[in-house]
Amino acid sequence: EIVMTQSPATLSVSPGERATLSCRASQSASSNLAWYQQKPGQAPRLLIYGASTRAAGIPARFSGSGSGTEFTLTISRLQSEDFAIYYCQQYNYWWTFGQGTKVEIK
Amino acid sequence: QVQLVESGGGVVQSGRSLRLSCAASGFTFSNYGIHWVRQAPGKGLEWVAIIYYDGHNKYYADSVEGRFTISRDNSKNTLYLQMNNLRAEDTAVYYCARDKGYCSGGTCSGGGAFDVWGQGTMVTVSS
Repeated sequence: EIVMTQSPATLSVSPGERATLSCRASQSASSNLAWYQQKPGQAPRLLIYGASTRAAGIPARFSGSGSGTEFTLTISRLQSEDFAIYYCQQYNYWWTFGQGTKVEIK
Repeated sequence: QVQLVESGGGVVQSGRSLRLSCAASGFTFSNYGIHWVRQAPGKGLEWVAIIYYDGHNKYYADSVEGRFTISRDNSKNTLYLQMNNLRAEDTAVYYCARDKGYCSGGTCSGGGAFDVWGQGTMVTVSS
């Protein structure tokens, strides 16, 4: 099983600032990495797949990078609707999720 | 619009069974693999199972292997999850989610991420 580890667990950011979220895989996930956003009481929403490709309708302020075992999600200028929990997921070998990073208002 | 709608959740005693359904609309159901994903209260996401587009290939997480069965009826655009011998640790919101890969003529491409999710159905297993 590929174990996904996200850091930090909680990120406190002011609106308009940049947020950088990290995700590490216990073994190579190649570029088979997705990022999801989840708000309270809602289902997750796909943001990024293939490590760096934005899903349909996702604003350009969301960007993904990395390959192999190290991945990053960057939100360039946080807006109020971006405060949520973010999960990374590898799909290189079965499917496993990270434990999530909560982005909260500073 | 493209949509998945789960149903069938509820409160059930430990050791009993429950069947979840996931109704698809707005896309050609038979061209996509579909997953079940669960989320225990206050916890993260856990992949549970996948059934490929034609229903022939199915895979499960170790935590549910031998107790849960995933199936689909492409004529009804519906996915199922039969859950037997339920345990307290199965308590969670259960989501169905479409695999992004498109399958046609026996070939699938672009798959792996989950691009469409249902709203979830809550399963509570009481001891």
